[in-house]
Amino acid sequence: QITLKESGPTLVKPTQTLTLTCTFSGFSLSTSGVGVGWIRQPPGKALEWLALSYWDDDKRYSPSLKSRLTITKDTSKNQVVLTMTNMDPVDTATYYCAHRENYYAFDIWGQGTMVTVSS
Amino acid sequence: EIVLTQSPATLSLSPGERATLSCRASQSVSNYIAWYQQKPGQAPRLLIYDASNRATGIPARFSGSGSGTDFTLTISTLEPEDFAVYYCQQRSNWPPLYTFGQGTKLEIK
Repeated sequence: QITLKESGPTLVKPTQTLTLTCTFSGFSLSTSGVGVGWIRQPPGKALEWLALSYWDDDKRYSPSLKSRLTITKDTSKNQVVLTMTNMDPVDTATYYCAHRENYYAFDIWGQGTMVTVSS
Repeated sequence: EIVLTQSPATLSLSPGERATLSCRASQSVSNYIAWYQQKPGQAPRLLIYDASNRATGIPARFSGSGSGTDFTLTISTLEPEDFAVYYCQQRSNWPPLYTFGQGTKLEIK
């Protein structure tokens, strides 16, 4: 059974750096074709894809946020970490991590973690 | 960057009716389109991948179709639990990037 869970701060101040961790089980990020992505959703708004880390160390980022994002993986810990610099109130959202394998969609999602950016 | 436009923004229907949701891409995305259902307070659930393949455990009343730039999610006979927000998502060929549409809210009439 595949599960993912996001963890990190619930409140960050403007200009700070956000670090979120996705801890997963039921699969290995060293298996060919596997990826873990990050997606966010501001309150009442649509989903927005942020980044994706692949089994082969490839990393992809949303063009609009690429300069602020870094995604890393720790295969031994079954974790994927997303950092986002220079946080702003507009970055207030629920942040999800999700599993991708075999096809170009996210089939299993974490429960999400709400992050508020406020001074 | 490929933009996905979903229509309508809101669809008001009754249980038992047929729902047709549209997703249009700003350029061809081959068949790399997925559809998700999201209920309040929940994470999205994958319904359809590669435009027309149902994900594991998804009822047969959900179907996807289309190719190129125009895609459709059809719910043949609406059940009470189908009222939710639906998103389409694409993955571009190169570079391999993902985007979501702005969503269609399916509400009870």
